[in-house]
Amino acid sequence: KAGVTQTPRYLIKTRGQQVTLSCSPISGHRSVSWYQQTPGQGLQFLFEYFSETQRNKGNFPGRFSGRQFSNSRSEMNVSTLELGDSALYLCASRLQGVTDTQYFGPGTRLTVL
Amino acid sequence: EDQVTQSPEALRLQEGESSSLNCSYTVSGLRGLFWYRQDPGKGPEFLFTLYSAGEEKEKERLKATLTKKESFLHITAPKPEDSATYLCAVQAGGATNKLIFGTGTLLAVQP
Repeated sequence: KAGVTQTPRYLIKTRGQQVTLSCSPISGHRSVSWYQQTPGQGLQFLFEYFSETQRNKGNFPGRFSGRQFSNSRSEMNVSTLELGDSALYLCASRLQGVTDTQYFGPGTRLTVL
Repeated sequence: EDQVTQSPEALRLQEGESSSLNCSYTVSGLRGLFWYRQDPGKGPEFLFTLYSAGEEKEKERLKATLTKKESFLHITAPKPEDSATYLCAVQAGGATNKLIFGTGTLLAVQP
């Protein structure tokens, strides 16, 4: 069974631009979560989607948004990029149960210049 | 506030030298504790899930244990390929399904 895939793997943007990242979960998984990983803050939860609905949201500004499609694929968008948004953005998928393990994709490395 | 603390931050071992990594947590109603391994430039790779105090799980040279306040990842006779960052995360009770991560232990195993 294929794992979680994320595209693109690497992205370079400039301040003020916006970016869209994509995540395809493991087949059959209905929940997708997004995390930001930086050297200073570690892994921090952004949001979770289940059946096209946002179920939980982390403590990030409104510039960070996401959505999920009927096939469980998810996208996250960051508008008006800032230098501090440079990070590894990780997507994780889960079957659906509350204690199901989250499986991570390889991440998208975003660099903001 | 829910919190996860991992120690040590970094650990250097000789091949075959066994050791343990620690994960201390403060959480309101633990639903699960997870161990992941992360190699540079890659996403975290799932290792174990523990749900209740006293539970233990093993996989090759790794063994994870759980108490009411902490978890240990025991590495027996490590090999250089075990070098990686080991991350601990907890899932708290309540409405959220988010994982709260520690900052990880960077393990280097020298031949």
